[in-house]
Amino acid sequence: DAGVIQSPRHEVTEMGQEVTLRCKPISGHDYLFWYRQTMMRGLELLIYFNNNVPIDDSGMPEDRFSAKMPNASFSTLKIQPSEPRDSAVYFCASTGTNGGEKLFFGSGTQLSVL
Amino acid sequence: QKEVEQDPGPLSVPEGAIVSLNCTYSNSAFQYFMWYRQYSRKGPELLMYTYSSGNKEDGRFTAQVDKSSKYISLFIRDSQPSDSATYLCAISGGSYIPTFGRGTSLIVHP
Repeated sequence: DAGVIQSPRHEVTEMGQEVTLRCKPISGHDYLFWYRQTMMRGLELLIYFNNNVPIDDSGMPEDRFSAKMPNASFSTLKIQPSEPRDSAVYFCASTGTNGGEKLFFGSGTQLSVL
Repeated sequence: QKEVEQDPGPLSVPEGAIVSLNCTYSNSAFQYFMWYRQYSRKGPELLMYTYSSGNKEDGRFTAQVDKSSKYISLFIRDSQPSDSATYLCAISGGSYIPTFGRGTSLIVHP
């Protein structure tokens, strides 16, 4: 398996623009997580899905952030409009019910909002 | 108080040293304990996973859990420059949602 695949690896955009981050989880995994990592706050859970259904989005900072999982092999995290304070590394991770808490992370998307 | 506390470092040691990385946690319901390693510009990868108190060894790495003190440790023996990375502890109560520490940056210099 290729692991968790995220795209793009880097995104540079201007304030006010829409940003879409993409994730393909490991085949067979039924949990998908979106995290944001910054130096100040570390790794923060934004939202997670189980069987494509959003379970807990309490970590999403505000209404500008939205996430979808239309099928078991694809998820998106959208920021509209983007702001400079959204600059961070965004990680997607997945795990299976039998895998417990052993999360598998993608390589992340480095987002810079100018 | 954060649920999981971890000193961000950096921790700089010479090659061959024994490294000790630590986390404290506040929720006594936590029962799964993990260490992730994150290289620069990469995602975290699971290094060690343990369920109970005591020690678990894997090569040069030993994970130690003391539930009575709510304290977990990761020891690295004979540290190598390739061990230079950020080490994140992660703790869970069984809900599949681990709580991560902020990570400790380790630098092993030749």
